[in-house]
Amino acid sequence: KQEVTQIPAALSVPEGENLVLNCSFTDSAIYNLQWFRQDPGKGLTSLLLIQSSQREQTSGRLNASLDKSSGRSTLYIAASQPGDSATYLCAVDTSYGKLTFGQGTILTVHP
Amino acid sequence: GAGVSQSPSNKVTEKGKDVELRCDPISGHTALYWYRQSLGQGLEFLIYFQGNSAPDKSGLPSDRFSAERTGGSVSTLTIQRTQQEDSAVYLCASSQGAEDEQFFGPGTRLTVL
Repeated sequence: KQEVTQIPAALSVPEGENLVLNCSFTDSAIYNLQWFRQDPGKGLTSLLLIQSSQREQTSGRLNASLDKSSGRSTLYIAASQPGDSATYLCAVDTSYGKLTFGQGTILTVHP
Repeated sequence: GAGVSQSPSNKVTEKGKDVELRCDPISGHTALYWYRQSLGQGLEFLIYFQGNSAPDKSGLPSDRFSAERTGGSVSTLTIQRTQQEDSAVYLCASSQGAEDEQFFGPGTRLTVL
């Protein structure tokens, strides 16, 4: 059974810092990995999707990497802003889009 | 234009009642998913529809849960004889095809008293 772990569980940083969120998964037979953010009381917003054949994806200040063989992904956020404060969720697809989620990292960026 | 929509946004019901939750996926998306988010369990997969194929119900927690998708578009998740442990946020997502990027709706917060 696939298990997804996210570290750290919570992170508080001053504005402007570069930061890294970590995600690990136990079964390397994945189709893709997706990073989401969730604001309080809201649904999930897709940030980046990395296919199993890819090593990284970039969108603006976000960069996600994938090392499938070691079961790891990292989400790098450059020059963090207070608006980046949210819960960040990592999810892996091991079968027809059925996502298995980590517990999330709660990020707080203070001015 | 929109994104995935869900209704109602909030639902409060009494234990033992039936509830129906609705999801309108993004137009043209063939895959539709239901997930549940609760404090104790995090986000968990419930059921998956792909085109006209039989749904994958492997995540449904009990036979009180069922879902259908009419005309390959709108989906309804039904919970019969609700229990307090059914209280959670129910999220719907759609994608162009299986294993494509999933887009989520705002969710329905269900409270069972």
